[in-house]
Amino acid sequence: ILNVEQSPQSLHVQEGDSTNFTCSFPSSNFYALHWYRWETAKSPEALFVMTLNGDEKKKGRISATLNTKEGYSYLYIKGSQPEDSATYLCAPHGDKLIFGTGTRLQVFP
Amino acid sequence: DAGVTQSPTHLIKTRGQQVTLRCSPKSGHDTVSWYQQALGQGPQFIFQYYEEEERQRGNFPDRFSGHQYPNYSSELNVNALLLGDSALYLCASSLVATNEKLFFGSGTQLSVL
Repeated sequence: ILNVEQSPQSLHVQEGDSTNFTCSFPSSNFYALHWYRWETAKSPEALFVMTLNGDEKKKGRISATLNTKEGYSYLYIKGSQPEDSATYLCAPHGDKLIFGTGTRLQVFP
Repeated sequence: DAGVTQSPTHLIKTRGQQVTLRCSPKSGHDTVSWYQQALGQGPQFIFQYYEEEERQRGNFPDRFSGHQYPNYSSELNVNALLLGDSALYLCASSLVATNEKLFFGSGTQLSVL
């Protein structure tokens, strides 16, 4: 059974601030690491799927890194905007895709 | 291109009743996964269907069962409902390959009274 931990649980930042979150997971039996963004009243939306140690992905102001040997991934948001407000979920894929509890980000104008 | 659709959007049941939730995957997808989202938790994996068979299962009791049809649509059935089954139920579709991202529906909000 995978134990996925995300920190912090919640985060309040001002518009323009840069921020980052952490996802920790057991490094054994690992195939891929998914990041999803879940805005209120919408469906979770995939941001990245990463598979290789040292992998880095970028989508606009959002980027992510992966360390499979030590079992963690970081998600970075540069210059946060109010529309970035959402819950960010990570999900390592071993034999199943297991989600963490998420980091709830609120960006204030 | 229709995305993942789920029905109904909301449902109210009483303890002991049975419920069926439905999901149509994104066009071209052959795999459907079901998740339960309770307050304060991340989505909990219930099971995954591929080729009309349950392929993976999470830590849920046998009261939770499912089905996948030849057109890849899927149902989640819950028998003998408990108050604790109140949650948002999410359906996600993908291609069977392990590293494919999931596409989620908007969910069915189930309330058990």
